[in-house]
Amino acid sequence: DIQMTQSPSTLSASVGDRVTITCRASQSITSWLAWYQQKPGKAPKVLIYKASTLQSGVPSRFSGSGSGTEFTLTISSLQPDDFATYYCQQYNVYPYTFGQGTKVEI
Amino acid sequence: EVQLVESGGGLVQRGGSLRLSCAASGFTFSTYAMSWVRQTPGKGLEWVSAISSSGGSTFYSDSVKGRFTISRDNSKNTLYLQMNSLRAEDTAIYFCAKDWSSGWFDYWGQGTLLTVSS
Repeated sequence: DIQMTQSPSTLSASVGDRVTITCRASQSITSWLAWYQQKPGKAPKVLIYKASTLQSGVPSRFSGSGSGTEFTLTISSLQPDDFATYYCQQYNVYPYTFGQGTKVEI
Repeated sequence: EVQLVESGGGLVQRGGSLRLSCAASGFTFSTYAMSWVRQTPGKGLEWVSAISSSGGSTFYSDSVKGRFTISRDNSKNTLYLQMNSLRAEDTAIYFCAKDWSSGWFDYWGQGTLLTVSS
């Protein structure tokens, strides 16, 4: 199975900060990577797919980059609504696997 | 509006069985692959199983292979997960998720909680 490792596990930031979350795959997944945001008690919501494609309706302050085994999710200017947990997911091969999550807190 | 509504969760004893359902609406259900993803309370996400649009192909995580069976009824726009030989570690919120095209999920249900008691 492909292991997905996110860092950091927790990130403390302030409104307006630029935030970067890293996701590393244990083997190449080319660009088959998605990023999700999850708030407490809610289902995940997709932000980015195919490593860098912004899902319709997602604010442009979110961006994704990377290929192969290293990927990043960047929030250019953190907003109050962005405090949540973020997960990466590889869909290059079954079984699909998620990172352990990065909690962005105040 | 796309809606995915899970049902069937509850409390079951270790070794027992349960079937989850996911009722889909707002899109052409028969043309999309679907998955089940679970989340242990307070923990991360774990993909459990997937099924192709026709139901002809199914995939499972190693942790549930041989115990869980995914299926769908395209005439009823419903996805199922039959869970047998349940273990304490199967306790989780189970989400159904719509696969947009190649393995990422554009819509998720609200989840249904399964608790396996020992």
